[in-house]
Amino acid sequence: GQNIDQPTEMTATEGAIVQINCTYQTSGFNGLFWYQQHAGEAPTFLSYNVLDGLEEKGRFSSFLSRSKGYSYLLLKELQMKDSASYLCALSGGSYIPTFGRGTSLIVHP
Amino acid sequence: EAGVAQSPRYKIIEKRQSVAFWCNPISGHATLYWYQQILGQGPKLLIQFQNNGVVDDSQLPKDRFSAERLKGVDSTLKIQPAKLEDSAVYLCASSLVVGPTGELFFGEGSRLTVL
Repeated sequence: GQNIDQPTEMTATEGAIVQINCTYQTSGFNGLFWYQQHAGEAPTFLSYNVLDGLEEKGRFSSFLSRSKGYSYLLLKELQMKDSASYLCALSGGSYIPTFGRGTSLIVHP
Repeated sequence: EAGVAQSPRYKIIEKRQSVAFWCNPISGHATLYWYQQILGQGPKLLIQFQNNGVVDDSQLPKDRFSAERLKGVDSTLKIQPAKLEDSAVYLCASSLVVGPTGELFFGEGSRLTVL
């Protein structure tokens, strides 16, 4: 089976940096995804990690440690439009993506 | 490139009634998923198709939910009879490849309210 844990809610200030953590347990591992979901909208792909280390894409970076069952999404230079839910998703042995509950990020001025 | 299309966007029904949702994936995407997302939770997989065959339906409540993907393109998800706890957004997603790099492309979802 799989288990994914991430904080329910986080708040941050515009222009700051925020790190959203995700821990997981799984019997098979084929990659970890991060998706962004604005209220009332569909999730959209942000990043994918399959090897340990940091993947950087503009203001967003994602880190993975397979030995620790840990990932984080780092958002820099926060903007108001970054207020959204951030979903950690695990691709396990069957390659079927399993989603966590999501972390609701609130960015305030 | 057209995205994943879903309809209807919104549906309100009474418990014990039936409802059907339709999904048209991105052209050329062989894999199609139906997820259920209850308010405040992450999406939960209901069923995955590869072309017109079912890959995984272990979390589909088969006594009331059914899904099909005829000709390996469009898909329909049906609920009959609906229960109050079925109130959720039903997301359809497709991916080009099956495998670890298979990024999912989601439709806007069908929001179901059961009264």
